Parts: sequence; C-alpha cells; structure tokens
Amino acid sequence: AQSVTQLDSQVPVFEEAPVELRCNYSSSVSVYLFWYVQYPNQGLQLLLKYLSGSTLVKGINGFEAEFNKSQTSFHLRKPSVHISDTAEYFCAVSDDAYSGGYQKVTFGTGTKLQVIP
Amino acid sequence: IAGITQAPTSQILAAGRRMTLRCTQDMRHNAMYWYRQDLGLGLRLIHYSNTAGTTGKGEVPDGYSVSRANTDDFPLTLASAVPSQTSVYFCASSDRSTLAGGEQFFGPGTRLTVL
Repeated sequence: AQSVTQLDSQVPVFEEAPVELRCNYSSSVSVYLFWYVQYPNQGLQLLLKYLSGSTLVKGINGFEAEFNKSQTSFHLRKPSVHISDTAEYFCAVSDDAYSGGYQKVTFGTGTKLQVIP
Repeated sequence: IAGITQAPTSQILAAGRRMTLRCTQDMRHNAMYWYRQDLGLGLRLIHYSNTAGTTGKGEVPDGYSVSRANTDDFPLTLASAVPSQTSVYFCASSDRSTLAGGEQFFGPGTRLTVL
C-alpha cells in the first residue's frame, strides 16, 4: 500500500522569501513522485515529477524538488516566492504495480501556500 | 478542444435528482479517472477506466456510476443525489504506460452543490 503525508496544511511566507513544502511517502515498491499545483477555482497542473535518474528535479515557475529515498521524502522548494505562487500544492505518488487493474496514484491532502506581500 | 473539458462548471441540484457530469479529452489517453475534492481530504478516486469499454471502482464509488463508450468521453452519473455528494469533481486522464509514470492531466472541475 502506498500513502502520502503532507505535514503542513498551510504555509504563510513573505514575498521573495524561500519556501519548502514537505512531503513524505510510503510504498513497498519503486515509486514515481509528483507535485501538482492548484490555483483558485482551477484544476491541478503538473509542477514537476520524478520518474528516475537525478534525484534533484526542476519544474516550472522556478520550483524544484529532491527525491530522498532513505528518508522517503520529496520536498518542494523555491528560493524566492512571488505573489503569483499563492496556491494549493499536492504531492502524489504512484508505483510500478497495477494494483486492482489500474496504476494507482495517491494524493496528499494538500498544502496551501500563502505568499504575503 | 485542448486537454480535458468538463461540463457544467457548476451546478446546484435538489436531493434525489439525477445528474450527469460530462468529461471529454482530446489527448487520446487510454486511462481516465473521476475524483472528488473535499476540504481537508485531498482528492479521492471515485471511478476509473483503463481503456474504452472497461471501468472500475475507486476509493469512494457508492452513489456514482460511469461509462466509457469511447476513448474521449467519461461521464459520471449520480443516480439520486444526496447532500454528502456536494463537492468539487475533477476528471483526469493519463497515458497508461510505465514511461508516463502515472502522470495525470486534470480538467477544470465541476462544483456541485446538493441541497
């Protein structure tokens, strides 16, 4: 079974300050990891993904995440946030196993990033 | 059409009424999904379809049904709506291959209120 924990439900940060959104996962097999962003009244958009290779993944809008297998983490970072980064961020995990006939993707409960001017 | 479209954008529905949420994709993805999003609970999978002609139950399928007559369309039906089905519903699709790793593409959502 796989699961995702986003430890912070809300993260307030001042504009131009750095931010880290935390994500921990559990899975019994090799995983693929994702961060999605959801702006108000919109659907989710892919921010970045880790499938294999380099553990440091760069995404859109200056975000990056690092896959740490020993700590089962995939924290999202940005060195300097902008007002436009205010949104909800979801971490997600999937694996190689087609459990129950489909490739299951498990989403975290989300972290709301509020950028303060 | 580019990506996934959903209709309606929002709907207020009386309890006991039947409602179908529409979802169409133009990416020729084989897999499609329906999620509901509720505050503090994240996204929960209602139903999925690996390919046209097949469907399966997700985490919270009770009270919902789906069909997949072709690749592009994946409607979600509430046969007799109840207030607990008030939620935001998202349709998603993915290319069901290991190379894709399970990346999903989402529609803009339907906000449903059942009174």
